[in-house]
Parts: sequence; structure tokens; C-alpha cells
Amino acid sequence: QKEVEQNSGPLSVPEGAIASLNCTYSDRGSQSFFWYRQYSGKSPELIMSIYSNGDKEDGRFTAQLNKASQYVSLLIRDSQPSDSATYLCAVKGGNFNKFYFGSGTKLNVKP
Amino acid sequence: EPEVTQTPSHQVTQMGQEVILRCVPISNHLYFYWYRQILGQKVEFLVSFYNNEISEKSEIFDDQFSVERPDGSNFTLKIRSTKLEDSAMYFCASSPVTSGGAPQYFGPGTRLTVL
Repeated sequence: QKEVEQNSGPLSVPEGAIASLNCTYSDRGSQSFFWYRQYSGKSPELIMSIYSNGDKEDGRFTAQLNKASQYVSLLIRDSQPSDSATYLCAVKGGNFNKFYFGSGTKLNVKP
Repeated sequence: EPEVTQTPSHQVTQMGQEVILRCVPISNHLYFYWYRQILGQKVEFLVSFYNNEISEKSEIFDDQFSVERPDGSNFTLKIRSTKLEDSAMYFCASSPVTSGGAPQYFGPGTRLTVL
């Protein structure tokens, strides 16, 4: 069973702070990694994808990937109350057209 | 901006009845997916579909489930005989490619309630 693990939170940060969200995965053959945001009762919304070791920045978001440690993270700079949501880590399973999601980390950004 | 659409937004059915959930993927996308999310739980992969056939399916996707692309735009999920435990949000997603792991774009979901 391929697993994607996330701390369920809630993670509380003050407005303007950096939020750090983490994810580990069990399938060493995984090649593609995604972060989605999900507001309560809504569908997952893509934030970022990352495929290579290192950092990838997009606006206030930075994804970090370390395949040796099987670890993916998402940093949100200058957090806003509107960033309050559940953040889902998703991993594409190796050569298969199959995706595994973590349970998500709930982020609360306090004004 | 193109979006994945799903109908209906909410479906209520009696246990043992058949339901069909409908999706219209983004028009130039080639790969289609169904996921479910039971309330308070993780998003679970059900099935992926490419070139008019299933490419992967999960253990959840048993003989009660089937998928079809009946025409050039719709993608459907059929549950033959619904059970109480099928109550969940069902999300359709599509992707332009899968090599290199292009991301998927999700529709708004159909909430299925089985009574």
C-alpha cells in the first residue's frame, strides 16, 4: 500500500508569517508531486507541482522536494487569512497513472 | 479559463439503486479520473481512463463501478447497486498528459447520499 503522510494539524500561524507544510511518501519510485488546496466542501485546487529535487517557487508559494528522504514540503510566505484551508499533498505512483493523496493539513491563518 | 464540470451537484438515492455521475472534462485533455472523498477523510483514487479504456483502478473500484466516455465530451461513473458506504463526494479530474506527471484539474464534485 503506497502511503502519503501529512500532519493533520491544525497548523495556526499569524497573518504575514511563513506557513510550513510537510509530506512524506512511501513509494520510492514516485516521480511527480503536487500540492492542492481544499476549502471546506469544495474540490481540490492545484497550487503547485514539482518533479525535481530542490525548490520551486511560484509567487508566495515554494515547494521543496527531497527524493532521497521521500519528503515534500510547501512554504507559504506572507500568509493571509484567505490561505486558511486544508492542504493536500498528492503523489503520482511511479510508472502508473494513479495518484495518492495525503489526508491533508488544516492551516489556520489568524488576522 | 476552461473548467471541469460535473452534474448533478447533489444526488440522493436509495440503497440498491443505480446512479450515474456525469463529468465534462476540459476539452483538450486526454486523461480522465474519478476520485471519492468520504466526509472527513482523504481523497481516494478510483480509476484513470485514457484512449477509451481504463488505465488504472484501485481496490475500491470493484464490479459495482464502471466508467464510460459515451461521446466526445462526457465521462461518466456508474454505480450499479449503491450501498450506504458509497455516500461521499465524487470528483472528476482531467489532465492534458500523464507522462512527466502533469497535474490534474478537478471538477466541483457530486455529493452522493445513499439512504
